[in-house]
Amino acid sequence: DTEVTQTPKHLVMGMTNKKSLKCEQHMGHRAMYWYKQKAKKPPELMFVYSYEKLSINESVPSRFSPECPNSSLLNLHLHALQPEDSALYLCASSQVQGEKLFFGSGTQLSVL
Amino acid sequence: AQSVAQPEDQVNVAEGNPLTVKCTYSVSGNPYLFWYVQYPNRGLQFLLKYITGDNLVKGSYGFEAEFNKSQTSFHLKKPSALVSDSALYFCAVRGSWGKLQFGAGTQVVVTP
Repeated sequence: DTEVTQTPKHLVMGMTNKKSLKCEQHMGHRAMYWYKQKAKKPPELMFVYSYEKLSINESVPSRFSPECPNSSLLNLHLHALQPEDSALYLCASSQVQGEKLFFGSGTQLSVL
Repeated sequence: AQSVAQPEDQVNVAEGNPLTVKCTYSVSGNPYLFWYVQYPNRGLQFLLKYITGDNLVKGSYGFEAEFNKSQTSFHLKKPSALVSDSALYFCAVRGSWGKLQFGAGTQVVVTP
C-alpha cells in the first residue's frame, strides 16, 4: 500500500462551522505533513509531525488545529475559517522528516 | 536560505518532441533536489531526486534530470513527450529541518 488517503475530497463550510480533515497512511512512515495549496501555486507547508510529535508549525492561525492520534493518522481541525482559507489541503507522508513525500489527492475546501 | 527558481510559467511542446523544464537553485552546502508533478485535481507525485553522485538522475515515467553544479541547475527532461505528460511540474530543494522549498511551478502543455 503506497497511498495516502484523504477524506473528504470536497468540503463546503460556513465561517461558523467546525469540521475536520482526515489523512491516513499505512506505509509505516513516521513523518506526516499538512500543506495548503492555492490554484496553480506551489504547496505551502502548514504543519509537520515527526514520530507523532508536532515538529514544525509554520505560524498557522489558530483556527487550524492539527492532531496526530497515531503514526498512521493525521487530522486537521477547522474552526471559524475565513473565505481566504478556501484552498486545496494536501496531506503528505515520508519515511522520516525531509525524505521524499507521498501526497494524498487533497481536500478541496470552500469557505462561504 | 535554500531556494529554487523555475523561470518559465508554461512550456508548450508537440507530442513526440523533447521536453525540458528548467530549474535553478541557490543553496549553501550540498543541494538535495527534487522534482514533483501534479496532474489536475490530484496531489503531487514524486518524480526523482538528487543527493550526490551521478549528475544524471533517472526517475518515473521516463523522466530524467541533469544536475549541473557550475550552472546551479537541475533541469527536468524527457526525450519524447506524451499528451499525458501535460501537468504542473514543481522543482524543490530541501532546506532546514527537512522542509521542502518549492519553485513556483511550470505548466507543461503537450499538444497532439
